Amino acid sequence: QKEVEQNSGPLSVPEGAIASLNCTYSDRVSQSFFWYRQYSGKSPELIMSIYSNGDKEDGRFTAQLNKASQYVSLLIRDSQPSDSATYLCAADGSSNTGKLIFGQGTTLQVKP
Amino acid sequence: DAGVIQSPRHEVTEMGQEVTLRCKPISGHNSLFWYRQTMMRGLELLIYFNNNVPIDDSGMPEDRFSAKMPNASFSTLKIQPSEPRDSAVYFCATAGTPGNIQYFGAGTRLSVL
Repeated sequence: QKEVEQNSGPLSVPEGAIASLNCTYSDRVSQSFFWYRQYSGKSPELIMSIYSNGDKEDGRFTAQLNKASQYVSLLIRDSQPSDSATYLCAADGSSNTGKLIFGQGTTLQVKP
Repeated sequence: DAGVIQSPRHEVTEMGQEVTLRCKPISGHNSLFWYRQTMMRGLELLIYFNNNVPIDDSGMPEDRFSAKMPNASFSTLKIQPSEPRDSAVYFCATAGTPGNIQYFGAGTRLSVL
């Protein structure tokens, strides 16, 4: 069973702090990884994609990928209350069919 | 671009009734995915299509569930007969090519009484 594992949280950080969200995946041949943000009652929206080992930065967001450790993370700098949401990690399946395997999500709470 | 369009946004029905959920993909996207989301089970992939052809329906929970994609602009997910345990949010997502980013519709919140 191919899996993506996340700590469900909630992860609580003060406003302005760095939030660190982590994810592990079981399928070694996964090549593409995604972070989606889902506000309560809304649909998932993509915030970051990463395909190569290392860091990828986009504004306050940095995604990190370590394929050897099968580990993906998302850092949110200068966290804002508007960042409070559930963050879903996803990895592609090995058959390159576009199918994604989603984790259960981590709930982030940013307190003013 | 209007994005992925789902209808209805909310559906309340009684147990035993037929329910049909609809999805219009982003123009040019040739992969379409149906998901179900509940608090207990999270986001589950039910079925997906490439170029209108069903590729993997192993996530469809029972024979009561069926999905079709008669053309590149339209897909349906049907539940017949519906049961209270089918209550969930159903999302449709589409992608440009296999392996590309999936974009989600707003979802249909289904309540089966």
